[in-house]
Amino acid sequence: KQEVTQIPAALSVPEGENLVLNCSFTDSAIYNLQWFRQDPGKGLTSLLLIQSSQREQTSGRLNASLDKSSGRSTLYIAASQPGDSATYLCAVRSSGGSNYKLTFGKGTLLTVNP
Amino acid sequence: GAGVSQSPSNKVTEKGKDVELRCDPISGHTALYWYRQSLGQGLEFLIYFQGNSAPDKSGLPSDRFSAERTGGSVSTLTIQRTQQEDSAVYLCASLAGFSYNEQFFGPGTRLTVL
Repeated sequence: KQEVTQIPAALSVPEGENLVLNCSFTDSAIYNLQWFRQDPGKGLTSLLLIQSSQREQTSGRLNASLDKSSGRSTLYIAASQPGDSATYLCAVRSSGGSNYKLTFGKGTLLTVNP
Repeated sequence: GAGVSQSPSNKVTEKGKDVELRCDPISGHTALYWYRQSLGQGLEFLIYFQGNSAPDKSGLPSDRFSAERTGGSVSTLTIQRTQQEDSAVYLCASLAGFSYNEQFFGPGTRLTVL
């Protein structure tokens, strides 16, 4: 059974700092890994999707990496801004039997202080 | 529509009542998911619809939960005889097909059972 862990559970940084959010998963047989952002009381916004054959994806100040063999992904946020404050969720789509499901971590609550 | 929509956005009900939650997926998306997000927990898979195939109901927590998808588009999640532990945010997501693409999420319905 796939399990996804996100560390840290919460992170508070001053504006302008570069930061890294971590995600680990127990079963390396995956199709893809997706990073989401969730604002309070809102749904999920997809940030980056990395296919299993890829090593990283970039969008603006965000860079996500994937090391499938070690079961790890990181989300790097450059020059953080107060508007980046949200919960960041990592989700894995396994390539096993029920390969249409996403397994989510519990998220990292990020606060960027002005 | 431009994205996945859900209604109502908030629902408060009394224990023992039945509730219906609605999801309108992105037009043309053949796959539809329901997830539940309880306080302090990660997203929990509930049910998956793909085209005309039999849905995967393996994530439904009890027989009080049911879902249907009419005409391959709109889906309704029904919870009968609601309990306080059913209080959560119910999220719907759609996917363009059985592919490696990203899931798009709706804003969710926050259910509170008193």
